[in-house]
Amino acid sequence: EVQLVQSGAEVKKPGESLKISCKGSGYSFTNYWIGWVRQMPGKGLEWMGIIYPGDSDTRYSPSFQGQVTISADKSISTAYLQWSSLKASDSAIYYCARLGDTGMVAHVGYWGQGTLVTVSS
Amino acid sequence: EIVMTQSPATLSVSPGERATLSCRASQSVSSNLAWYQQKPGQAPRLLIYGASTRATGIPARFSGSGSGTEFTLTISSLQSEDFAVYYCQQYHHWPPPTYTFGQGTKLEIK
Repeated sequence: EVQLVQSGAEVKKPGESLKISCKGSGYSFTNYWIGWVRQMPGKGLEWMGIIYPGDSDTRYSPSFQGQVTISADKSISTAYLQWSSLKASDSAIYYCARLGDTGMVAHVGYWGQGTLVTVSS
Repeated sequence: EIVMTQSPATLSVSPGERATLSCRASQSVSSNLAWYQQKPGQAPRLLIYGASTRATGIPARFSGSGSGTEFTLTISSLQSEDFAVYYCQQYHHWPPPTYTFGQGTKLEIK
């Protein structure tokens, strides 16, 4: 069974750094692209970027380029999303999302449970 | 950048009736279109991919159609568990891949 298990909720102050994680299991972690999706309070889904854990090829949506860093450690089947300096506007739920096929042109087949990030002074 | 527009924003339908949700792409995405269902406090769930293929375990009352720029999700006979927010997503535009979502349609009980 494919599972994506994300790290727990975080409460941070503006300016702090943060790295959240998404551990994949039940499939070959290196063979499928994993993306990150933001959902701000009461709002819709926004695609942030995607990584291929096999070689760490990473692509960002224009709105998130330079704002976050996506990485992966294939030795522990885990993808990451990190911020170097959080802003209050980064408060949201973040989902990791594995594509349904091994190629890049594919739907999201599996979702993590989401990580709530709250940034407040 | 491809923009996905869903309509209506909110749809009020009675249980047992049919619901029709629309999604339009600002340029052709071929059949690279998926639909997701999201209930409060839950992660989204894949319903349809390839514009018309039901995901594993999705009831037959859910169907998708369309190609190019116009797509439709139809729920033939609404059950209580179907009231949720529905998102379409394109995964055609490459490079770079943007996997754009529509803004969502909230399906509520009439």
